[in-house]
Amino acid sequence: SQTIHQWPATLVQPVGSPLSLECTVEGTSNPNLYWYRQAAGRGLQLLFYSIGIDQISSEVPQNLSASRPQDRQFILSSKKLLLSDSGFYLCAWRWGGTGGNTIYFGEGSWLTVV
Amino acid sequence: GEDVEQSLFLSVREGDSSVINCTYTDSSSTYLYWYKQEPGAGLQLLTYIFSNMDMKQDQRLTVLLNKKDKHLSLRIADTQTGDSAIYFCAESSASGTYKYIFGTGTRLKVLA
Repeated sequence: SQTIHQWPATLVQPVGSPLSLECTVEGTSNPNLYWYRQAAGRGLQLLFYSIGIDQISSEVPQNLSASRPQDRQFILSSKKLLLSDSGFYLCAWRWGGTGGNTIYFGEGSWLTVV
Repeated sequence: GEDVEQSLFLSVREGDSSVINCTYTDSSSTYLYWYKQEPGAGLQLLTYIFSNMDMKQDQRLTVLLNKKDKHLSLRIADTQTGDSAIYFCAESSASGTYKYIFGTGTRLKVLA
């Protein structure tokens, strides 16, 4: 079976500090990977998606970047956090290519920038 | 661009039916989904419907799709307190990018 792990679950970071959120998927190969952010009262915003290693698309201009160093690993980073980066970050995956149509989510990471 | 809209809140009494509505703009949407999010957790897939279907029923859940009006609804029969959560509508298209666009979520509160 397939599982998705996301960490850390919770973190509090000062403004201007760096960020690294990690996500790994097990039990599949060449998945499509996604980072979403859920800010209070603003729903779920797609930040990045990746259909393969070094194939990452950014949906909104922002203070964040994403990398996919391995097939099943997706990392969300920032060099200098802003207060507005606070939110609930969700990693997700789906079967690559035409293998499936459903997206599955990790448990999320709460980020508070202070 | 693609957009998905939902009302923010819905309150119902235990045992009543809940109907959560969603509208979307992308006419090339292939699949439409309903996800449930419990407090502090990730999203859990409830059900989905293919765009060539009008209705799908799964136990207490009924999904209705009006493709002409780009309107999707989720009906929960015999709503229970455990159904209290945020419900997200989402759409995807088989355009090759496999992007999933989510609505703002509807917070369902079930009153005992």
